[in-house]
Amino acid sequence: DAGITQSPRHKVTETGTPVTLRCHQTENHRYMYWYRQDPGHGLRLIHYSYGVKDTDKGEVSDGYSVSRSKTEDFLLTLESATSSQTSVYFCAISGTKNIQYFGAGTRLSVL
Amino acid sequence: DQQVKQNSPSLSVQEGRISILNCDYTNSMFDYFLWYKKYPAEGPTFLISISSIKDKNEDGRFTVFLNKSAKHLSLHIVPSQPGDSAVYFCAANSGYALNFGKGTSLLVTP
Repeated sequence: DAGITQSPRHKVTETGTPVTLRCHQTENHRYMYWYRQDPGHGLRLIHYSYGVKDTDKGEVSDGYSVSRSKTEDFLLTLESATSSQTSVYFCAISGTKNIQYFGAGTRLSVL
Repeated sequence: DQQVKQNSPSLSVQEGRISILNCDYTNSMFDYFLWYKKYPAEGPTFLISISSIKDKNEDGRFTVFLNKSAKHLSLHIVPSQPGDSAVYFCAANSGYALNFGKGTSLLVTP
């Protein structure tokens, strides 16, 4: 997994609760990304980071926030989880702007 | 608005034959294209890529062809093996982000 660790790997939570997913890399790559994968949609970008404290929104950013206080960690927060945020979440890293390497994913269920 | 399209949700091929996976895109500003392979319960794995200045890139059994005028790329797998059974995603680079297609599920039968 190219030195990428996602935690937790599985989580079940209730509607309205806050949830934070963590992505940790050991590659010292500049760029980090959060995607979600849903049936019939492929992978869609939520947020990305191009450096410490430098983040930007992706295609499906509503309801999500991110933080990057260290090069190695990129956190994705669902402030108040909804059932529509049930999905598989993937973190990716990149040393250049082209090839991205993905973590193993976090399966999130919001009941 | 899907800028990268994989119009075949699934493909079945016999072992030893060629698998051809197709991808179309709409944004002429894309300058780098990638294919990822994904097994169930795992993250996508980078497979092969091609820059827009080339029309072909080969890596072992995998070859990617790019036709810029048609805004079309394809992935050829020769010969196909049962272990190639997976979902394949086409992606195109747009600035910092990748735009993904919805994927094609390839099944290679013995």
